[in-house]
Amino acid sequence: SQQGEEDPQALSIQEGENATMNCSYKTSINNLQWYRQNSGRGLVHLILIRSNEREKHSGRLRVTLDTSKKSSSLLITASRAADTASYFCATALARTTSGTYKYIFGTGTRLKVLA
Amino acid sequence: GAVVSQHPSWVICKSGTSVKIECRSLDFQATTMFWYRQFPKQSLMLMATSNEGSKATYEQGVEKDKFLINHASLTLSTLTVTSAHPEDSSFYICSARALRLSGSPSGVLYNEQFFGPGTRLTVL
Repeated sequence: SQQGEEDPQALSIQEGENATMNCSYKTSINNLQWYRQNSGRGLVHLILIRSNEREKHSGRLRVTLDTSKKSSSLLITASRAADTASYFCATALARTTSGTYKYIFGTGTRLKVLA
Repeated sequence: GAVVSQHPSWVICKSGTSVKIECRSLDFQATTMFWYRQFPKQSLMLMATSNEGSKATYEQGVEKDKFLINHASLTLSTLTVTSAHPEDSSFYICSARALRLSGSPSGVLYNEQFFGPGTRLTVL
């Protein structure tokens, strides 16, 4: 079963506005990553936040992590039409008995930025 | 940066044939690669974890005889969809995990995945 649930499922905003997407997960994690996917394309890694970090910035992106609530948020400031894409969170579950991390993806948020 | 390629980028085949998809890490070594499938407008579902030199670990509900995974070297993993059927039509994405040492004196390891561009499989 999927680890992460994302909210909202779809978001439509005007260019220049901020976009906030939330991700909730169920079990303990090592780190959480956010990815972007343009329609029919592969994934682009945006940002990684470790379980001992609370906030991280990268350009117009701001990610927060609240391990007590098992949730993370991705904020895109001053959005552009080119930000239109699907955004996924992925959680790296704690090391399995085989010694390998598993990455489980959330359900995704489809963001549409209107020019 | 770390680049992962997939080949082919798309394939159309007849029902009953087998299709092999390659995943290569071009400028780094990947002891672990992951295979995902994605249906239209849905998320990525992890199918299996592929470790170099050992058998793949399949997720619950994924038929290992149907989806054969071979991780023959530190830069190549292959997924073979055997006896493909229309319901196997999907977008298949691989990722390779690079291990990096942080700059801290404790030498903390952390993981980052790099994704391939995906392979769209259509089974007629």
